[in-house]
Amino acid sequence: GAVVSQHPSRVICKSGTSVKIECRSLDFQATTMFWYRQFPKQSLMLMATSNEGSKATYEQGVEKDKFLINHASLTLSTLTVTSAHPEDSSFYICSARDTARGNYGYTFGSGTRLTVV
Amino acid sequence: GESVGLHLPTLSVQEGDNSIINCAYSNSASDYFIWYKQESGKGPQFIIDIRSNMDKRQGQRVTVLLNKTVKHLSLQIAATQPGDSAVYFCAEKASARQLTFGSGTQLTVLP
Repeated sequence: GAVVSQHPSRVICKSGTSVKIECRSLDFQATTMFWYRQFPKQSLMLMATSNEGSKATYEQGVEKDKFLINHASLTLSTLTVTSAHPEDSSFYICSARDTARGNYGYTFGSGTRLTVV
Repeated sequence: GESVGLHLPTLSVQEGDNSIINCAYSNSASDYFIWYKQESGKGPQFIIDIRSNMDKRQGQRVTVLLNKTVKHLSLQIAATQPGDSAVYFCAEKASARQLTFGSGTQLTVLP
């Protein structure tokens, strides 16, 4: 089945530094990938839609200069949290949509626990 | 940003009993629905999906029911096992829009 690899699974960083999270589709091509943020005991909130070869589309209220997204190939999207602050601590999850399955093939990564100290 | 005041509904069932998890969705134009299982510290795991031209779909030990009239979705788990303990999310999708997740239900299976 479709597999999405997300790395790292956990990261601790100091305030003011930047952190990069990678999302890879291992056995399928993903023109579109998605980045979510999840706070404890809450649902997944879509942050942005990452499109291969073009700019990401950000949801309302998400700062594009703070959460940089790059989708340089059909199998890799990265999310960089710039100048991280403690309030950015959260669980970040990516999802990739299998291009071959159109609108119905969503697979999620295992998530990244970011702690900013 | 973070929402205030949200909490997960909970459901506790005895091992071996059937579980029913409910979800009310918001968009009458949604035509695709998915149930996900999320264990602590992990990403969502696909369980079962259903398209709007169906009202019932069965998988292994799971059944999804869709009532478009009242915009309601349910997940039935037969013979619930300890490994079923997790948070369950429904997600809806309307054409040309992205997946939207519901608030989730914490299922606890009691021995």
